[in-house]
Amino acid sequence: VELVDSGGASIQPGRSLRLSCAASGFNFAGYSMHWVRQRPGKGLEWVSGITWRSESRGYADSVRGRFTISRDDATNSLYLQMNSLAVEDTAFYFCARDSAPDFTYGSGSFESWGHGTLVTVSS
Amino acid sequence: SYDLIQPPSVSVSAGQTATIACSGDKLGDKYVSWYQQRPGQSPVRLLYLDGKRPSDIPERFSGSNSGNTATLTISGTQAIDEADYYCQSWDTNTVVFGGGTKLTVL
Repeated sequence: VELVDSGGASIQPGRSLRLSCAASGFNFAGYSMHWVRQRPGKGLEWVSGITWRSESRGYADSVRGRFTISRDDATNSLYLQMNSLAVEDTAFYFCARDSAPDFTYGSGSFESWGHGTLVTVSS
Repeated sequence: SYDLIQPPSVSVSAGQTATIACSGDKLGDKYVSWYQQRPGQSPVRLLYLDGKRPSDIPERFSGSNSGNTATLTISGTQAIDEADYYCQSWDTNTVVFGGGTKLTVL
């Protein structure tokens, strides 16, 4: 299993950015996928998740309405579209594979993690 | 919103048993997972479904969950276990992480 996060950059407040996660080594289409972030020196914060077949999406209150998660099972890719970025969005962003197809059942866990990609929002 | 509370830090002498608590309202009714994160590295799953251990995780890591508290126990703590530890659970289609506990091995 390999997850390669990319797309992080230094960007000004109010701008947009799209993160990508390239997955390999497993049946990508059969699992829920997530984005988790970690502000420098702080703890883990779940950002968003998407079930298999994209049937359901979930967002943290802090990003709902600004971020959009999506997946392309044909290319084994996970995305996070981030709009209206704010200074407090500065963090390492990790993609992670759930152990279950549908994370909304509450029984899954984060089996595998990417190495993370850094997003810095600053004027 | 649902909160998971962990102590910011725990210290343990090498070879002794470390316990890290994770508290949340009726947490025992939910599933809990635990993750280890060493500095500069991605998190690693230690336990899932309260106390199940992946095959590549040492047996000294164990977990339980009842009432309002889940507990991670590290038996025979080693220097390499010095890291940050996070509990994780679920609430109304959202994922929740505890604030993390820094384990220091003396």
